[in-house]
Amino acid sequence: GAVVSQHPSWVICKSGTSVKIECRSLDFQATTMFWYRQFPKQSLMLMATSNEGSKATYEQGVEKDKFLINHASLTLSTLTVTSAHPEDSSFYICSPRDSPYNEQFFGPGTRLTVL
Amino acid sequence: KNEVEQSPQNLTAQEGEFITINCSYSVGISALHWLQQHPGGGIVSLFMLSSGKKKHGRLIATINIQEKHSSLHITASHPRDSAVYICAVSDNTDKLIFGTGTRLQVFP
Repeated sequence: GAVVSQHPSWVICKSGTSVKIECRSLDFQATTMFWYRQFPKQSLMLMATSNEGSKATYEQGVEKDKFLINHASLTLSTLTVTSAHPEDSSFYICSPRDSPYNEQFFGPGTRLTVL
Repeated sequence: KNEVEQSPQNLTAQEGEFITINCSYSVGISALHWLQQHPGGGIVSLFMLSSGKKKHGRLIATINIQEKHSSLHITASHPRDSAVYICAVSDNTDKLIFGTGTRLQVFP
């Protein structure tokens, strides 16, 4: 399968700080990037979808000004959690796809803990 | 009622046993995915299928489009197969809808 990296793998931060999570597709071009978050013992929840070079489309209930997504290149997408609060503590997973008919691959995830 | 239902929710097995996990869905789909999530959280895509059957090593996935049902089979299970197995479908909006997962524990 394709190689997807996320950085950092885990981060602990103070309330009010911003955290940037990077997602790289190492051996294919991700025309579409999905960002998910997962709370303990729950399913993955789609936060937003972005296509390279376009603005992200956010799911209902996800604040676009709080979760900033940049998908400026076919191999890199970033998610920035601005002014993080304890309720933002979660497991964030990126999922790139190279075309609509192909598999989605998943990054290893970033565990965010906001104190 | 969830659009994607999995059963069982939890499954324990002895090493070597044949395992079946079931997935039923109620929406129109373009594809069905089986994913594996290990305790550390990382997700691996096992299969993407839209008809018939696929096999990879000890894993077999089948889908019946008419019955809106898929099964994931693990032959000769091993403790390293212990993980959460997730069924997800690509709906007509091209988004994935996830089942709640099946937690599998295989004991030596």
